[in-house]
Amino acid sequence: DTGVSQDPRHKITKRGQNVTFRCDPISEHNRLYWYRQTLGQGPEFLTYFQNEAQLEKSRLLSDRFSAERPKGSFSTLEIQRTEQGDSAMYLCATHRGYEQYFGPGTRLTVT
Amino acid sequence: GIQVEQSPPDLILQEGANSTLRCNFSDSVNNLQWFHQNPWGQLINLFYIPSGTKQNGRLSATTVATERYSLLYISSSQTTDSGVYFCAVEPSWGGGADGLTFGKGTHLIIQP
Repeated sequence: DTGVSQDPRHKITKRGQNVTFRCDPISEHNRLYWYRQTLGQGPEFLTYFQNEAQLEKSRLLSDRFSAERPKGSFSTLEIQRTEQGDSAMYLCATHRGYEQYFGPGTRLTVT
Repeated sequence: GIQVEQSPPDLILQEGANSTLRCNFSDSVNNLQWFHQNPWGQLINLFYIPSGTKQNGRLSATTVATERYSLLYISSSQTTDSGVYFCAVEPSWGGGADGLTFGKGTHLIIQP
């Protein structure tokens, strides 16, 4: 158990719809990260929170992507006006000790 | 940004064989982790090893930071070792804000 849960585990949506994913660390970890993984590739870093402050967001893929961490605990990642190219696994990770630990991911399919 | 290259990209072995996976990185790091991604997509932490050598059962890892490479050794392979192995690094200058940079992984298949 990595101590990170994500919801939903799978999401199928139609092109143009908005989707929101949630990440819940079991206990409050200061650092929280979002990654995207496409087929055959390693995860790609998207954004980083230190408590509720979003300290890095320049790597978000476009202005259709946004993330929040309103109380420094859970976090949400929203994709507006989804495109087929957004189909991927979206992973959340927290930093404990010296390591990052990953949640099970949300697999998004855009039809 | 920092570059991470893993080799080989694919590896097929018989059960019981030993294997060595390599990770080269292009700059100094303060974090290097090895992960195993299972068929359901879960990333499982294997080692935190920015330098030195560690062992955990049949797995061991060595990072030579001055030469910018890391090796993951798997001995007496079992079919449950199958999956994709990722090396991921965080550059020394990042302060955590850069996240981890992953290689493309080594896809390992262990045949019975």
